[in-house]
Amino acid sequence: DTGVSQNPRHKITKRGQNVTFRCDPISEHNRLYWYRQTLGQGPEFLTYFQNEAQLEKSRLLSDRFSAERPKGSFSTLEIQRTEQGDSAMYLCASSREGGYGYTFGSGTRLTVV
Amino acid sequence: SQQGEEDPQALSIQEGENATMNCSYKTSINNLQWYRQNSGRGLVHLILIRSNEREKHSGRLRVTLDTSKKSSSLLITASRAADTASYFCATPNNAGNMLTFGGGTRLMVKP
Repeated sequence: DTGVSQNPRHKITKRGQNVTFRCDPISEHNRLYWYRQTLGQGPEFLTYFQNEAQLEKSRLLSDRFSAERPKGSFSTLEIQRTEQGDSAMYLCASSREGGYGYTFGSGTRLTVV
Repeated sequence: SQQGEEDPQALSIQEGENATMNCSYKTSINNLQWYRQNSGRGLVHLILIRSNEREKHSGRLRVTLDTSKKSSSLLITASRAADTASYFCATPNNAGNMLTFGGGTRLMVKP
């Protein structure tokens, strides 16, 4: 059990570019979550997968955001046409079904310049 | 919007002192969780208390839950410099498939 892995750790991109982040959850966990966190705030829910099915999406997830979890394993979060307001830490977490505690990755810090 | 709100927003204490953080929430819950986040890192699950529990201990951590007041507290006893971090409470939605986090308490423990 190597924990939840997120890549890259840091990403600097120019406004208007597309970025993609990857999350590898704990292999026994069938639930995967994406959160966004801005400086000094708590994490805000973006989306949730149970296996490969995306079951919940926050209204924070505009049409520029898309997330996938093919085959119910790793997940990707893509942001198209990035804006400065997208600058944040993007956190991935996983859990077992019925398991209440989340295991978080270290996050991907996105800076849009 | 955030379900839980922590109080205080920031807390500075000396090593060895106790630290108490409070969390208030709005809707009924079946459990409440506390997480710690070191600067620039992911969150670490500390402890979960169920709605039918009033108090729970884990090492130097003590969590209480008052469902009538919709509030919880986290007590860290005999604090250490390594306890310096942000602490968040989180509550699940009714379906249990999403946690909502509060804004956090930033704790600084001075050596």
